[in-house]
Amino acid sequence: NAGVTQTPKFQVLKTGQSMTLQCAQDMNHNSMYWYRQDPGMGLRLIYYSASEGTTDKGEVPNGYNVSRLNKREFSLRLESAAPSQTSVYFCASSEMWQFEQYFGPGTRLTVT
Amino acid sequence: SQQGEEDPQALSIQEGENATMNCSYKTSINNLQWYRQNSGRGLVHLILIRSNEREKHSGRLRVTLDTSKKSSSLLITASRAADTASYFCCTGGTSYGKLTFGQGTILTVHP
Repeated sequence: NAGVTQTPKFQVLKTGQSMTLQCAQDMNHNSMYWYRQDPGMGLRLIYYSASEGTTDKGEVPNGYNVSRLNKREFSLRLESAAPSQTSVYFCASSEMWQFEQYFGPGTRLTVT
Repeated sequence: SQQGEEDPQALSIQEGENATMNCSYKTSINNLQWYRQNSGRGLVHLILIRSNEREKHSGRLRVTLDTSKKSSSLLITASRAADTASYFCCTGGTSYGKLTFGQGTILTVHP
């Protein structure tokens, strides 16, 4: 089993460009999450999907959108990237909401 | 503000010593989890303790939870150099959509 996979691993964008971060899990988990991690800030929840067919805002949703494409896949879209979105993005999944989470390796995004 | 505040921010010990990290939070929780992150990598789940539990063990790890003080501690016994990592607490709040990580404790274990 691959667990949680994320693509791409690294990305550099110019201000105003758009991109989609992809996440997939092969553990048949119901819940999936997107976080950002900034130095000294810990992880902050951007959006989550407690179950297939639902998505909800987390702590820092502004500037992002998500799609739960099916039970396996949960994508994060930046419509118009800003330098403040420079961060490391982690996708995670869990069997149920607030259960033990399994994390992907992360995407390091730089917006210039 | 962060739900989980961790203390200390950094901890440096020798191999064989015990390491204790603390997490405090502000609002009611369903559970509290501890995660480890090695530099530049994704987080790895260590242990979950529910709000009606007071103590939990897993190998060299011991977690306590005091809901009256809104605090938890993670004890790693007989530390090894391989335990060098950042450790985060994560609270699952009772309010809808609440899942909050602390800022982490950086643990360095010297061989």
